[in-house]
Amino acid sequence: GESVGLHLPTLSVQEGDNSIINCAYSNSASDYFIWYKQESGKGPQFIIDIRSNMDKRQGQRVTVLLNKTVKHLSLQIAATQPGDSAVYFCAENGDYKLSFGAGTTVTVRA
Amino acid sequence: DVKVTQSSRYLVKRTGEKVFLECVQDMDHENMFWYRQDPGLGLRLIYFSYDVKMKEKGDIPEGYSVSREKKERFSLILESASTNQTSMYLCASNSGGPGQPQHFGDGTRLSIL
Repeated sequence: GESVGLHLPTLSVQEGDNSIINCAYSNSASDYFIWYKQESGKGPQFIIDIRSNMDKRQGQRVTVLLNKTVKHLSLQIAATQPGDSAVYFCAENGDYKLSFGAGTTVTVRA
Repeated sequence: DVKVTQSSRYLVKRTGEKVFLECVQDMDHENMFWYRQDPGLGLRLIYFSYDVKMKEKGDIPEGYSVSREKKERFSLILESASTNQTSMYLCASNSGGPGQPQHFGDGTRLSIL
């Protein structure tokens, strides 16, 4: 099954299900996007990035999709595990600066 | 792996004190950043530096200053700490242009009493 949060601040997922975390970005000129994972008590950790000349990129158990038409970014996590519980942020670049989304807290249910 | 080290995990200071937060990176990155993270507000950029002795204001520089005397070290200074500066402070670094991921330290949770 899948759990999808459309720009929601929290997402509860059954262990083993796929997760989809969504993000809207604001700057149509942004050409680089990053997903970060932040566990409790730690700094944000790089997960995966994508450039604007791509619409999909896959990593280990994660896939990022970019829809430039509607300025939408999503992170898909396959077979969600308890260790995936964290806050997930998307970020878009502008010059030297990144602009971060508010984050989605993902909780994995056993 | 890139390592960004912040000198303190937790810090408690008093109103009016001058506070120094230190950050060191070990990957020879040109760019370094200071953010603060507050519930409901996400990460907000305070200052950044793209070279030694260079600094640029971010989105919320008021009440802060920075120092970059060496490439690997970027310091954030609260000139006269106030209670509204109680927050989580995150340092990050990256190399090259804007199309490179920033790597973060584990943060300093600062409380101003």
